[in-house]
Amino acid sequence: NAGVTQTPKFQVLKTGQSMTLQCAQDMNHEYMSWYRQDPGMGLRLIHYSVGAGITDQGEVPNGYNVSRSTTEDFPLRLLSAAPSQTSVYFCASSRQGPKNTEAFFGQGTRLTVV
Amino acid sequence: AQSVTQLDSQVPVFEEAPVELRCNYSSSVSVYLFWYVQYPNQGLQLLLKYLSGSTLVKGINGFEAEFNKSQTSFHLRKPSVHISDTAEYFCAVLSMDSSYKLIFGSGTRLLVRP
Repeated sequence: NAGVTQTPKFQVLKTGQSMTLQCAQDMNHEYMSWYRQDPGMGLRLIHYSVGAGITDQGEVPNGYNVSRSTTEDFPLRLLSAAPSQTSVYFCASSRQGPKNTEAFFGQGTRLTVV
Repeated sequence: AQSVTQLDSQVPVFEEAPVELRCNYSSSVSVYLFWYVQYPNQGLQLLLKYLSGSTLVKGINGFEAEFNKSQTSFHLRKPSVHISDTAEYFCAVLSMDSSYKLIFGSGTRLLVRP
């Protein structure tokens, strides 16, 4: 049981490049979400999904796309990276919404855009 | 909209001393409240949560928090800290009318000194 797995752990991109941050969970959780963590600002919700085929925007969705084709996977896409997207990204999952059960977090992806 | 304020960005304390980490929230509707802990280079882990019932909530590792509705606060306490408690602590709220948007505070770094 691996929990929530994020890949890669570190990434450096040039401005304008695209990439996908991967997130996978093996706990059959319905709810998954992406956060970014910036110094002094805590975690901010980017996008979330309440089940396969269903996604919605969080607090800071601009510049990011998501899809949820399977229960297990919830990739986050940066179509044209900008320096403002330099951050640490966390994926989280829970059996239902965070109210009902504990949210499990991945180890994070540290992204630098130069 | 909801917001969370953690006034102290860093709290230094000596080992075996008591500690209180402050959290205040703002919301026009009733909320659920959470404390998460982040150890260095790791994801977040749930410490405790308040959903309803007794306003004093006990969590893991000897931590507890008290919900005060009139003061819109949810302060975290521990009577005697250990070196291993050194970490960043995040307060978070979830409004009862939006069960999926967990809003985090900016975090408080607890630094326990020998």
